[in-house]
Amino acid sequence: GAGVSQSPRYKVAKRGQDVALRCDPISGHVSLFWYQQALGQGPEFLTYFQNEAQLDKSGLPSDRFFAERPEGSVSTLKIQRTQQEDSAVYLCASSLHEGTAYEQYFGPGTRLTVT
Amino acid sequence: QKEVEQNSGPLSVPEGAIASLNCTYSDRVSQSFFWYRQYSGKSPELIMSIYSNGDKEDGRFTAQLNKASQYVSLLIRDSQPSDSATYLCAVTTSEKLVFGKGTKLTVNP
Repeated sequence: GAGVSQSPRYKVAKRGQDVALRCDPISGHVSLFWYQQALGQGPEFLTYFQNEAQLDKSGLPSDRFFAERPEGSVSTLKIQRTQQEDSAVYLCASSLHEGTAYEQYFGPGTRLTVT
Repeated sequence: QKEVEQNSGPLSVPEGAIASLNCTYSDRVSQSFFWYRQYSGKSPELIMSIYSNGDKEDGRFTAQLNKASQYVSLLIRDSQPSDSATYLCAVTTSEKLVFGKGTKLTVNP
């Protein structure tokens, strides 16, 4: 079946611009996660949704970062007034079950470059 | 102390050998443990999950978990050049999935 999809795959933004990154999870997956991965590092947790509810946003690095999943399926990660330190790969993952204890499947990621 | 630690490598093994990848974690109450493979420029791909002490085998891969020692490992038997990638250890801790930095494995033909 179809895996997790993300768009755009690449995004170049000038410093100060707003960006929106989209994630389509595997159909029927209850849980959705966003991660940020810097070069040479493992993915770092940003936020977690169970259906439409955002249960954990403790990893969002600043109030410029905002995520939503209004209908419990597609999710959008928005970054306002982008800064150079926001340059990274943003990964979305989904899981069939509630919580973080189960297998998560990743999308291809969006590589954001802020110039 | 970082929550999940891995040797960054690189780890180099000849084709056909056993590659051994190790990971330690700091949270004693962690219950779920995963190994992901990440090719350069690609996203992480789940290859193994393990939840209880002991060994779990899947094809050429064996995951080993020792909760008392807070240690999880991945063995790759009959290593192939296509196994060359970064292997990420991930542990559920404080209701989050926490990743190590990864170990870069190179399998030489």
